[in-house]
Amino acid sequence: GNSVTQMEGPVTLSEEAFLTINCTYTATGYPSLFWYVQYPGEGLQLLLKATKADDKGSNKGFEATYRKETTSFHLEKGSVQVSDSAVYFCALLDDYKLSFGAGTTVTVRA
Amino acid sequence: GAGVSQTPSNKVTEKGKYVELRCDPISGHTALYWYRQSLGQGPEFLIYFQGTGAADDSGLPNDRFFAVRPEGSVSTLKIQRTERGDSAVYLCASSLSLAVRETQYFGPGTRLLVL
Repeated sequence: GNSVTQMEGPVTLSEEAFLTINCTYTATGYPSLFWYVQYPGEGLQLLLKATKADDKGSNKGFEATYRKETTSFHLEKGSVQVSDSAVYFCALLDDYKLSFGAGTTVTVRA
Repeated sequence: GAGVSQTPSNKVTEKGKYVELRCDPISGHTALYWYRQSLGQGPEFLIYFQGTGAADDSGLPNDRFFAVRPEGSVSTLKIQRTERGDSAVYLCASSLSLAVRETQYFGPGTRLLVL
């Protein structure tokens, strides 16, 4: 079956630090890959996506590249802000259903 | 435009009671999905609809759970004889179509607490 494993948190960073959240997946087909973000008190929002191997998704300074050879979709941001504090979920879409990782809580200190 | 909306935002009920959770998808979206998110976990798939019919209900945990979408827009998730283990956030999502790479947009969720 399909599954997503992402880096356990919580992660605490200082403002302007570099952020990486690792995500690897197992899938029987050729899934699309997503990062969703959940800000405090809000619902899940799409952050970025990639639909095929070697695609790079980007948004709000975040990037992730679909790596089929390593079955990975790591999230990166070069300089985080306090407003990036949130829970980040890696997910794959296969057969119309999303499978999510457990989420990584990121806290950015001023 | 308006996003996915869900009502109520919070629901507290007693063990054994019946509850209904409502989802209004984004206007024009034909596909609708329900997920359940337990504390500290990622969402887990329950069921999805294309139009009025349930295309895949393989994620429903047991026959106490049922969902309908009678007119192809609003959907209701129904839980009979609630148990404490049903406590979770129930998320609804919609997408423009049931295409294999279509993005799903989520509502704010209904937080269900079974006492």
